[in-house]
Amino acid sequence: GAVVSQHPSWVICKSGTSVKIECRSLDFQATTMFWYRQFPKQSLMLMATSNEGSKATYEQGVEKDKFLINHASLTLSTLTVTSAHPEDSSFYICSAREPGQGNQPQHFGDGTRLSIL
Amino acid sequence: DQQVKQNSPSLSVQEGRISILNCDYTNSMFDYFLWYKKYPAEGPTFLISISSIKDKNEDGRFTVFLNKSAKHLSLHIVPSQPGDSAVYFCAAIWGRAGSARQLTFGSGTQLTVLP
Repeated sequence: GAVVSQHPSWVICKSGTSVKIECRSLDFQATTMFWYRQFPKQSLMLMATSNEGSKATYEQGVEKDKFLINHASLTLSTLTVTSAHPEDSSFYICSAREPGQGNQPQHFGDGTRLSIL
Repeated sequence: DQQVKQNSPSLSVQEGRISILNCDYTNSMFDYFLWYKKYPAEGPTFLISISSIKDKNEDGRFTVFLNKSAKHLSLHIVPSQPGDSAVYFCAAIWGRAGSARQLTFGSGTQLTVLP
């Protein structure tokens, strides 16, 4: 089945550091990828929709200068958390949807646990 | 404002019995619903889906029921197996075809199947 690879799986870094998370679709081309954030015992919250070759669409309340998204190819989207602070510590998950009319299931990466000290 | 709600954070069921996970939604524009299963430290895995024009979809041990008038859907797992123990997320989609139709997730229900 379709596979989405997310890297790294776990990051611990100092406050003020920028962290890049990669999301790759391994066996299909994804014109659209999605970035989610999950706090403990809460739902996955959509942060932004990443569109290949164009700017990402951010959800209300998500700082685009804080969470930089680049979707440079049909198989790779990156999320960079700039100048990370402890409140940015969370579980970040990407997903990609196979090409189609929009009901195709999104395939998720295994997530990145980000811990800012 | 939570548009997709899973009011039971946890559910315990005996192996071999039926597990019923419930989900309610408020947005009548949702036209497609999905269930995802998530193990710790992994991303969600797609399980089963249903279009709003149907009221039931079955795939092996998994059946999803949709009651549009009540804005309610449920996932039935029968018979339940210990390997089914995971967090189950209900998700819904709306938006015109061809656009980036986004998922809205519920908060999840932790299912524990006891041997």
